[in-house]
Amino acid sequence: DTGVSQDPRHKITKRGQNVTFRCDPISEHNRLYWYRQTLGQGPEFLTYFQNEAQLEKSRLLSDRFSAERPKGSFSTLEIQRTEQGDSAMYLCASSAQTAESYEQYFGPGTRLTVT
Amino acid sequence: GEDVEQSLFLSVREGDSSVINCTYTDSSSTYLYWYKQEPGAGLQLLTYIFSNMDMKQDQRLTVLLNKKDKHLSLRIADNQTGDSAIYFCASPPSSNTGKLIFGQGTTLQVKP
Repeated sequence: DTGVSQDPRHKITKRGQNVTFRCDPISEHNRLYWYRQTLGQGPEFLTYFQNEAQLEKSRLLSDRFSAERPKGSFSTLEIQRTEQGDSAMYLCASSAQTAESYEQYFGPGTRLTVT
Repeated sequence: GEDVEQSLFLSVREGDSSVINCTYTDSSSTYLYWYKQEPGAGLQLLTYIFSNMDMKQDQRLTVLLNKKDKHLSLRIADNQTGDSAIYFCASPPSSNTGKLIFGQGTTLQVKP
């Protein structure tokens, strides 16, 4: 397995447009996480799934943001009516529930620029 | 509240060792993690330590945990220019959540 993959790697969009990002976790991992990282900061948690169930959402995840993991494999993160403040790196991570330490493995990220 | 703090910048010479420090607020953290991020890339898991351990060594990396002071450190021996990156410590705020709280990151510069 090649690790967590994310698509696209870069996205430039105009304010007000909708965008969707995809994350493919490591194949045997049943937990999947989304984080957002702005310049000079550490990643901030957005939400996570165990299989297809969304177990936790951050206050950062406004009603313009929605995440899905319909079959417990890949996940999508959609941002509606994008704003300039949404410009950030969106990181996806996965972990195996059976791993005692729950270590999370990250993908390369999707860099979003809202103009 | 949930908070993880790190110093922002550290510069060392090639061949020297470096120590990156981190403090966290939540005492219920079970595991604590160190990640490395190179420019424009995602985060690479370096190592982790269970909260009932004081020390963990993994090749050039040594993690020290002082649970009483809620202080975590990462020592990198024999630094190479390829170690130049941003290093993040991360802590889950409680044992029944999947999320990690990250520090701001420490930029390590290794000069030749």
